Amino acid sequence: GQQLNQSPQSMFIQEGEDVSMNCTSSSIFNTWLWYKQDPGEGPVLLIALYKAGELTSNGRLTAQFGITRKDSFLNISASIPSDVGIYFCAGQLQGAQKLVFGQGTRLTINP
Amino acid sequence: KAGVTQTPRYLIKTRGQQVTLSCSPISGHRSVSWYQQTPGQGLQFLFEYFSETQRNKGNFPGRFSGRQFSNSRSEMNVSTLELGDSALYLCASSGQAAGEQYFGPGTRLTVT
Repeated sequence: GQQLNQSPQSMFIQEGEDVSMNCTSSSIFNTWLWYKQDPGEGPVLLIALYKAGELTSNGRLTAQFGITRKDSFLNISASIPSDVGIYFCAGQLQGAQKLVFGQGTRLTINP
Repeated sequence: KAGVTQTPRYLIKTRGQQVTLSCSPISGHRSVSWYQQTPGQGLQFLFEYFSETQRNKGNFPGRFSGRQFSNSRSEMNVSTLELGDSALYLCASSGQAAGEQYFGPGTRLTVT
């Protein structure tokens, strides 16, 4: 089945630093989604990408849909304490609701 | 607009029992998907319902089943519980044919 490789698995950064994480797949996806999950809560949608090459921003977050449709990255600029959490990428095939998730990137910020 | 709601939030069951979890999607959303989240396997797709019909199914045993009602609310049932069924069960709703899914807070199931 489809698998997503998300890296890095964890990051320890200083407040104010920029963050970059990415996902790669052996399969082509039609949609890429990025979520953030806090402890004890469900994932919250951050950014949705629908077109190869698309670059989308949401505040300090920027995500891109790779040209090959097999990868995506998420950047967070000027990190703040509330950015702490686990970030997941998810890919979706055309016409299907099923999301295939990456393993997650755990972000820790030292104040 | 109210978000996706799931009940109960926490549940403790013993092996062999069965359990029913409930999900109310965002108003107007007709697609409801269910996912299982565990530390070892991550987030895994269980199934998706649209207009009371199961459209997609993941790779889980038949002990996992679901249904959707005419008001788009969905329930998920797990029979003959096993220790390995302990997980966070998440439901997500969508108002589009494909694309953005919005998750509820989840139901934390512990099987002892």
